[in-house]
Amino acid sequence: NAGVTQTPKFQVLKTGQSMTLQCAQDMNHEYMSWYRQDPGMGLRLIHYSVGAGITDQGEVPNGYNVSRSTTEDFPLRLLSAAPSQTSVYFCASSYGPGTGIHEQYFGPGTRLTVT
Amino acid sequence: KQEVTQIPAALSVPEGENLVLNCSFTDSAIYNLQWFRQDPGKGLTSLLLIQSSQREQTSGRLNASLDKSSGRSTLYIAASQPGDSATYLCAVFSGSRLTFGEGTQLTVNP
Repeated sequence: NAGVTQTPKFQVLKTGQSMTLQCAQDMNHEYMSWYRQDPGMGLRLIHYSVGAGITDQGEVPNGYNVSRSTTEDFPLRLLSAAPSQTSVYFCASSYGPGTGIHEQYFGPGTRLTVT
Repeated sequence: KQEVTQIPAALSVPEGENLVLNCSFTDSAIYNLQWFRQDPGKGLTSLLLIQSSQREQTSGRLNASLDKSSGRSTLYIAASQPGDSATYLCAVFSGSRLTFGEGTQLTVNP
């Protein structure tokens, strides 16, 4: 199993550009989520999904969109990038919620810089 | 809203010392608590997972305990080594969300 994969590993955007961060898992996990990590702020939840077709907002959803058309993929879209979105983005997945198994598996991260 | 606090924020110890990292959370209705390690510029490595019904978990020199009623967990590292230097994060899963503490930055000096 590849586990949780994220692409790209690094990205530089100009203010106002849009892009999609890709996240995929091959463990048949129902739950997937996106976090951003900023110095002094820890990891904060952006959006999450409890299954295909179901998404919900986390702590810091503004400026980001998600969709979950398949169990395997959970892309994160930046609609109009802003310097405040410069961060490291992590995707995670777990079996939950119906299974009661919530051990989280994390991807390697995407380092995004918005100039 | 779940809040997770980790104390201390930073810790520096000599090699060989046993040490304890602390994590507290405000809402005891959790499914589990997970400890992670993060090296500078790297991703998260899961160290230990404690289910809400468990009291502790062990892996090698690491032992994590959970007292759900008091909202506390500790990570005990025995016989610390320079290679243990990293940031240690605790996270609790409650509702449908994983909430992280801000971490303890550990430095083990040779």
